[in-house]
Amino acid sequence: SAVISQKPSRDICQRGTSLTIQCQVDSQVTMMFWYRQQPGQSLTLIATANQGSEATYESGFVIDKFPISRPNLTFSTLTVSNMSPEDSSIYLCSAHDQSVRGSYNEQFFGPGTRLTVL
Amino acid sequence: AQSVTQLGSHVSVSEGALVLLRCNYSSSVPPYLFWYVQYPNQGLQLLLKYTSAATLVKGINGFEAEFKKSETSFHLTKPSAHMSDAAEYFCAVSEGGGNKLTFGTGTQLKVEL
Repeated sequence: SAVISQKPSRDICQRGTSLTIQCQVDSQVTMMFWYRQQPGQSLTLIATANQGSEATYESGFVIDKFPISRPNLTFSTLTVSNMSPEDSSIYLCSAHDQSVRGSYNEQFFGPGTRLTVL
Repeated sequence: AQSVTQLGSHVSVSEGALVLLRCNYSSSVPPYLFWYVQYPNQGLQLLLKYTSAATLVKGINGFEAEFKKSETSFHLTKPSAHMSDAAEYFCAVSEGGGNKLTFGTGTQLKVEL
């Protein structure tokens, strides 16, 4: 299983600013995902990030608001741009390695980044 | 399109009692199914997964789940609850090569003395 770390673990930001969240995996993985978990709610997929290609965004999420980078097979960043209080949430990254036999779409999750926007 | 329904956003059991968390899914193809647990202020940890092998799947911490195609269900059980089981539990579905997971709304498990 992959071990995933995220930075920062939490932050309090002002309206209108941007925050970049880093996600580091301890092994090479083919796919990385970014989720949002609003208070008391389930996880909503923001986008899928594959190395060497543009991220694929889910309905309701756009690149201008949530630009994503995936420079290599162990690292990804998510930026939350021009933040508003509605962006207060937990942001989680996860990883799946298609090359692992028997992985069956299993994803491993980071600890999350708790963002509060004032 | 795939979807997951978790009945009961909050479940409370006594320590030592049976834990039953319900999950029903909708999928146009044979699915992969997962249960994840989230402890307070932590990320998600995989409890178990169904991948079309055995219909009764055993996971970590004494949890197990049974895949019932006729009922489109994948309920999570544990014979005897422990205080440390208090957490939020999420059921998730994935369709074949699609790689994406769709999560249910979660069930908060409370374990009382």
